[in-house]
Amino acid sequence: AQKVTQAQTEISVVEKEDVTLDCVYETRDTTYYLFWYKQPPSGELVFLIRRNSFDEQNEISGRYSWNFQKSTSSFNFTITASQVVDSAVYFCALSEAHTGANNLFFGTGTRLTVIP
Amino acid sequence: DVKVTQSSRYLVKRTGEKVFLECVQDMDHENMFWYRQDPGLGLRLIYFSYDVKMKEKGDIPEGYSVSREKKERFSLILESASTNQTSMYLCAHRREGTGELFFGEGSRLTVL
Repeated sequence: AQKVTQAQTEISVVEKEDVTLDCVYETRDTTYYLFWYKQPPSGELVFLIRRNSFDEQNEISGRYSWNFQKSTSSFNFTITASQVVDSAVYFCALSEAHTGANNLFFGTGTRLTVIP
Repeated sequence: DVKVTQSSRYLVKRTGEKVFLECVQDMDHENMFWYRQDPGLGLRLIYFSYDVKMKEKGDIPEGYSVSREKKERFSLILESASTNQTSMYLCAHRREGTGELFFGEGSRLTVL
């Protein structure tokens, strides 16, 4: 079974619209970590955020915000007032404490296209 | 700036050839990883290494081997390349403590 599910394969929005990228995870560990990575056209994955399972506070960083809800096993990512530079593939990932956090399970990614 | 350098951005090889993909990091991190990325499948872990000369299989190690002779260098080896190994290969190393991975730009391998 997929440990990380990103149901949205592709999303297109017009510049300045808000957009939410969904991520649902599955784990039996009580201690785990969730990540979001951005992969622009250049190909290099860029780290955006890491959350541990004990910290359910939502986080905001500029136009980016993350909503972590353990009750629904979700870690959704919202971009406010999207810009063309946000166009990329976004990956959600999970690592579990019982593996020593040595393996990140990645979702299949969501390709976001921001139309000018 | 954290730097992960992968030796080749684009490679074209023939079936049966031996392929070396090299990765060098400049952060003195112990943990290094090789992933492959395929459309619709996301990133899948091939091998990782947590120290010099130490290696562990990931989710899809078949057809691959690795070498870690020096801390900063982690090589992925395809002993006999096959067409189903056509893919984007991503190297990463992990910051101790926070667990975040730093990735290279990737090596796109085409096996004909």
